Order: sequence, then C-alpha cells, then structure tokens
Amino acid sequence: GNSVTQMEGPVTLSEEAFLTINCTYTATGYPSLFWYVQYPGEGLQLLLKATKADDKGSNKGFEATYRKETTSFHLEKGSVQVSDSAVYFCALTVWIQGAQKLVFGQGTRLTINP
Amino acid sequence: DTGVSQDPRHKITKRGQNVTFRCDPISEHNRLYWYRQTLGQGPEFLTYFQNEAQLEKSRLLSDRFSAERPKGSFSTLEIQRTEQGDSAMYLCASSLGRGAQSNTGELFFGEGSRLTVL
Repeated sequence: GNSVTQMEGPVTLSEEAFLTINCTYTATGYPSLFWYVQYPGEGLQLLLKATKADDKGSNKGFEATYRKETTSFHLEKGSVQVSDSAVYFCALTVWIQGAQKLVFGQGTRLTINP
Repeated sequence: DTGVSQDPRHKITKRGQNVTFRCDPISEHNRLYWYRQTLGQGPEFLTYFQNEAQLEKSRLLSDRFSAERPKGSFSTLEIQRTEQGDSAMYLCASSLGRGAQSNTGELFFGEGSRLTVL
C-alpha cells in the first residue's frame, strides 16, 4: 500500500539550529512528494514539493530531496527561526479518478525557542 | 481573502445528534476534498468531488456520513447519529484540475471544523 512515516515529535530546537525532520515512504509507482506545514491557528499549506527522483524542493529556506533509492524525503533547514514553529506533515500522492489524493504522515511538531 | 472557508469552526454535540459542516472552496476550483484529522495524526482522506460528482469515498466514511456538492461549488458533510469516535477535525481542501493528471499537486486547505461529541 501507500504510506508515509515521519520522525516522531515533538522536536524542540534553539533559534539558528540546524533542522532535519525525517520522512520515508512506501508507494506503488512513482508518487510526488510534499511537505505541508500547519502554523498555529491556520490551515495546512504547501511548503515544498518534488515530483520525480533526485528533484529538490525548496521554499522559505527549507529543502527536501526526493531519494528513490532510500524512499526518503527528509526536510532540512540550515538555521531555524522562532516563526518556523509549527506542525510539519510529509505526504505523497495517489492518483484517483484523474485527481490526486494525498496520503499524510502523522506530523512532527516543531518548537523553536529564542 | 478568498481561500477555503469552513463553517462552523467548532461544534460540540451530544452522542446521537446529527451535525453538518459546510465548505466553500476557492471559487474557480473544480476539485474538493474532505479529510479527517484526529489528535496527533495526519489528515486521512474521506472523499473527493470533481465538480458535483463524488468520485471516491474512503472506507472510513461509514453509512452515517454523507457528503454532497450539489452545484459544484460549496460542499456539505453530514454525520448522522454521532458517536464519540467521530470527534476530530474535519478538513476541506480544494484544487484546480484541467484534465487527467494535470494537477500541480497542491491542495488548498481550510482551517477545519473541530467536532467534539460528548
């Protein structure tokens, strides 16, 4: 089947620390991979995506590379800020009836302390 | 702001009562999705509409759940005879698709409707 496994949270870091949130997936075929973020009191929003192997998605200083050989899509940021505190969800797509259904991981809560 | 809006944001009800949630997608979006999110878990797919047609339903959607999108615009999700296990955040998302597999992959989510069943 199709599934996503994320690093257990919560994760607490100091400002300017390096961040890695691990994500691995199981999928049939060749899914697209996504990171969504949910800031406090807001809806989920797309952070970055990669649609094929070796693609690197990036946005707001975050990066993730689609690694087919390790079935991974780890999220990284070189220097986190307090404003990055949020819940991060890794996801992959499954095609249904011509549209995409997202399969999410369980989420990783990130807290950045000043 | 013309993003996805959901109503109500919070609903507390007693077991056995019926509840209905409404979702207004981004106006030009033809695809609409419902997800459910329980505490500490990622969102789980419930159902999907393309225009007014409901094209897929998850096994999570028991007979007590019904979703509609009568004119291809807003959608409602009704839960009949609620149970405590229905307590969750119900998320709506929309996207624009112009053909098979021509979607960018980005879903636009509303802030969700939180249901508490006592």
